[in-house]
Amino acid sequence: TQLLEQSPQFLSIQEGENLTVYCNSSSVFSSLQWYRQEPGEGPVLLVTVVTGGEVKKLKRLTFQFGDARKDSSLHITAAQPGDTGLYLCAGIRGANNLFFGTGTRLTVIP
Amino acid sequence: DTAVSQTPKYLVTQMGNDKSIKCEQNLGHDTMYWYKQDSKKFLKIMFSYNNKELIINETVPNRFSPKSPDKAHLNLHINSLELGDSAVYFCASSTPGSAGRAQYFGPGTRLTVL
Repeated sequence: TQLLEQSPQFLSIQEGENLTVYCNSSSVFSSLQWYRQEPGEGPVLLVTVVTGGEVKKLKRLTFQFGDARKDSSLHITAAQPGDTGLYLCAGIRGANNLFFGTGTRLTVIP
Repeated sequence: DTAVSQTPKYLVTQMGNDKSIKCEQNLGHDTMYWYKQDSKKFLKIMFSYNNKELIINETVPNRFSPKSPDKAHLNLHINSLELGDSAVYFCASSTPGSAGRAQYFGPGTRLTVL
């Protein structure tokens, strides 16, 4: 059983469509991060959310941390082929305990 | 300038061999990590080092040993390699502070054990 479950696992959409990726857990985290990983590279941090209910926007990406700090969502508006990649959520507990989610592989078709 | 670098990028070896993967960061970070990413892309932390002290050691076989000669380097040595060790190994470093530490990852080392 993984600590952080992401859904969907795979997502293939047309350019211009909107999508939401979910990251769920039964555990509480002090903060939560979202990373994007492209083939042959390491994950790259997109955002960190710290406060329950917090919403952060990064251009067409909107990140939300659940009120209870157990879950998070990533919404992409008007997806573009450049958004294609593996999206990973990661929950932080304590000073250095980082737990990654199961990942969502997004493909945006031109 | 490369922030977190790893060598080699690819490593193919026979079962039973001993191998090392090197990692260097030039970001001045105080903590470095090793992660293993399996074929399903699940990323799991193996070790972290802070000021030359091991502060996290998940359920990793003792065939794996991290070695940190200084704050900018954290190498991973693996003894008696097994088929199940095949994976992509990522080194990372993080900024100071407690909550919301940003982790900077290297490009990964793809290890294949034959």
